[in-house]
Amino acid sequence: DIQLTQSPSSVSASVGDRVTITCRASQDIRSWLAWYQQKPGKAPKLLMYVASSLQSGVPSRFSGSGSGTDFTLTISSLQPEDFATYYCQRANSFPYTFGQGTKLEIK
Amino acid sequence: QEQLVESGGDVVQPGRSLRLSCAVSGFTFSSYAMHWVRQAPGKGLEWVAAISKDGGRKSHTDSVKGRFTISRDNSENALYLQMNSLRPEDTAVYYCARDHSVVDITYYFASWGQGTLVTVSS
Repeated sequence: DIQLTQSPSSVSASVGDRVTITCRASQDIRSWLAWYQQKPGKAPKLLMYVASSLQSGVPSRFSGSGSGTDFTLTISSLQPEDFATYYCQRANSFPYTFGQGTKLEIK
Repeated sequence: QEQLVESGGDVVQPGRSLRLSCAVSGFTFSSYAMHWVRQAPGKGLEWVAAISKDGGRKSHTDSVKGRFTISRDNSENALYLQMNSLRPEDTAVYYCARDHSVVDITYYFASWGQGTLVTVSS
């Protein structure tokens, strides 16, 4: 199976900071990648799909890039509501795995 | 407003069965493929199963294949997960999720329920 590895596993940042999270696939997945945000006790929320398409209703401070094996999620100016855990997920082939998650904490 | 409401989670002994349900409203259920995704306590997310919008195509992750079965009733706007031969490692919050596209299944999970907890323990 194709594995997804996120880095860092956790990051501390301040409101207003620019933050980038990386997701690396063990094989080429073209642009078949999504990003989700999950807050404690809540369901995940789709942020980006096909690597760089912003899901409807998601603020434009979120952006995604990459193709092949290397992908990034960038939050241009952190807001208090952005502190959460972020997951990447591949959609190219069975079994549609997720990365291990990146916890974004307040500094 | 879209709503997906899971139910059926419980504490069960290993080897027993459970059926999860997901009641859907606020969108045309029969136009979308649907999924189950689970999350063990304190762990990451795992896709479990998918079903096409007409129910004709189903897919299950290897760890549940032969034990779990996804199904749907478009007349009732309901999604199901029949879980047999449950194991302690199946302990998780189970989410139902709507696929992103009306055209064909994409395996992007655009809308989620709040989840239902299944605990498998003796």
